Amino acid sequence: KNQVEQSPQSLIILEGKNCTLQCNYTVSPFSNLRWYKQDTGRGPVSLTIMTFSENTKSNGRYTATLDADTKQSSLHITASQLSDSASYICVVSDTGANNLFFGTGTRLTVIP
Amino acid sequence: SQTIHQWPATLVQPVGSPLSLECTVEGTSNPNLYWYRQAAGRGLQLLFYSVGIGQISSEVPQNLSASRPQDRQFILSSKKLLLSDSGFYLCAWSVLIGSGEQYFGPGTRLTVT
Repeated sequence: KNQVEQSPQSLIILEGKNCTLQCNYTVSPFSNLRWYKQDTGRGPVSLTIMTFSENTKSNGRYTATLDADTKQSSLHITASQLSDSASYICVVSDTGANNLFFGTGTRLTVIP
Repeated sequence: SQTIHQWPATLVQPVGSPLSLECTVEGTSNPNLYWYRQAAGRGLQLLFYSVGIGQISSEVPQNLSASRPQDRQFILSSKKLLLSDSGFYLCAWSVLIGSGEQYFGPGTRLTVT
């Protein structure tokens, strides 16, 4: 069964600290993996997209890694800011038509 | 640049009342369009997608229906709302079907009372 699991479910960190969010998936055959940021009450916004051959991709203070062998991805946030408070959703797609598998997200809260 | 709009932003409706949520996309032609529902503490669930005018695919059996009367307009409807229809409804569009990047609208918060 194709699944995407994220951990932790929620996380609270101090402003300025780093954190890492995890995404494990069983989706096969794998096409790509995306990390989205969703502010409360808003639609998700794409942070990174990674294909099978990509191990690391950065977007400002966000760095995503992908290990296609172990089917794991992480999103590392450096020097967190209050505006990083949001839900971070991992989405994996297979090679079929319109097959996207969504994780339930990690709720990150950055406190001053 | 492309923009996606959804309205209303919030909606409170009694059980048994009808529903109509609208989504429009600007700045692109023949987009693939999607309706998702996000229940509290749960992941996004794909409800419908459309690859063209009048073409609707349903992912899960439910109390809702979708229509695409124009190329860049996608409507989510219900004849009689249920309590379980409450949730956050997101419209999205993409250039490619399937594994292509999807761009989400701002969402509609629906509360059925």
